[in-house]
Amino acid sequence: AQSVTQPDIHITVSEGASLELRCNYSYGATPYLFWYVQSPGQGLQLLLKYFSGDTLVQGIKGFEAEFKRSQSSFNLRKPSVHWSDAAEYFCAVGAKTSYDKVIFGPGTSLSVIP
Amino acid sequence: ETGVTQTPRHLVMGMTNKKSLKCEQHLGHNAMYWYKQSAKKPLELMFVYNFKEQTENNSVPSRFSPECPNSSHLFLHLHTLQPEDSALYLCASSQEARSSYEQYFGPGTRLTVT
Repeated sequence: AQSVTQPDIHITVSEGASLELRCNYSYGATPYLFWYVQSPGQGLQLLLKYFSGDTLVQGIKGFEAEFKRSQSSFNLRKPSVHWSDAAEYFCAVGAKTSYDKVIFGPGTSLSVIP
Repeated sequence: ETGVTQTPRHLVMGMTNKKSLKCEQHLGHNAMYWYKQSAKKPLELMFVYNFKEQTENNSVPSRFSPECPNSSHLFLHLHTLQPEDSALYLCASSQEARSSYEQYFGPGTRLTVT
């Protein structure tokens, strides 16, 4: 079965600064990879996903993520953070077998300083 | 209504009460999920329904009882809960219960057991 870790529990960045949130997974093959965001009082919303092909994936709200097979990583990046990006970010991993479930990471809480 | 809706948004119940959480999806999806989100813990998958059939019960105590009368509606019936059951309960849906399909989440029901 697959697993996913997010090494950073909480990150604080200044508005306008760049951001990188780390995600590492464990799976025997290339999995399906997702990043979701949860704003306070809301459910999770998909930011982007990777299935195959180009390892740099563009998502909504100016986010991108890069799949690195050699490092088993799928880190999320944004070049310039806005105050509205303050939220909880979840990396998720799905196995490429029929009807296997998606596993969510523990999340990284992002605070943005004005 | 669009997307995934959940009612009520907040619920306070005593340990001897019986209550139900409701989820409705307006996306034409065939799979629906219940998740439990507690503070400081990863998202926990509770139940999965695919084409109205339960395909996953993640060792959930019997005091939680799901019901899926059709592909658009999902209920979680609660009885004799414990204080540790206090959490945010999230409903989600996807095209099918495959890990390749992104999940769409509702805003959640914040449950407090007193």
